[in-house]
Amino acid sequence: NAGVTQTPKFRILKIGQSMTLQCTQDMNHNYMYWYRQDPGMGLKLIYYSVGAGITDKGEVPNGYNVSRSTTEDFPLRLELAAPSQTSVYFCASSYSGVISGNTIYFGEGSWLTVV
Amino acid sequence: DAKTTQPNSMESNEEEPVHLPCNHSTISGTDYIHWYRQLPSQGPEYVIHGLTSNVNNRMASLAIAEDRKSSTLILHRATLRDAAVYYCILRDGVAGSYQLTFGKGTKLSVIP
Repeated sequence: NAGVTQTPKFRILKIGQSMTLQCTQDMNHNYMYWYRQDPGMGLKLIYYSVGAGITDKGEVPNGYNVSRSTTEDFPLRLELAAPSQTSVYFCASSYSGVISGNTIYFGEGSWLTVV
Repeated sequence: DAKTTQPNSMESNEEEPVHLPCNHSTISGTDYIHWYRQLPSQGPEYVIHGLTSNVNNRMASLAIAEDRKSSTLILHRATLRDAAVYYCILRDGVAGSYQLTFGKGTKLSVIP
């Protein structure tokens, strides 16, 4: 029952460093998403992908990059980390877009602190 | 995007029913109403969704007003494990956009 797997679970970065949050799903879902959640707030969409080779910006894409070379993997790259990127990051996937009401499955989250 | 309004917090006694309200007065005719919940330190998990008719599943029931401008998530017997933040979400109406837009949700506390 792997579902959506994110790594690492916790990470501390120094300002200006870069890192990649890994995300993989084993449900053969076409759609994948990256959200961030700041303390006491709802989730905000960073990037999403509707299939391998296709990505698009969400609500808060600045400071991040993504790629989707395979159906299973959707890594999120943070370039030049800033304190404003301190947050909890959630990767998610769904069989198709939620227009039809399909369920989104979320990973357990990655806690990132930039100091 | 059509928006939803939920109370910030609610309390319930254990083993009693809980009715979580959601207002969405600007909902469009093809918007689905989704409910997700987020347990402490976990990712959100799907609860239920519907379009027009009331819906039931093993976790909860969803009652949708006839004019679709409001809905209610019903937990029939609250347990301690149901303490979570509950999000009422409408499908994003932008063409070609498939994300869910999360608000702050309702924090449900369950009292033993």
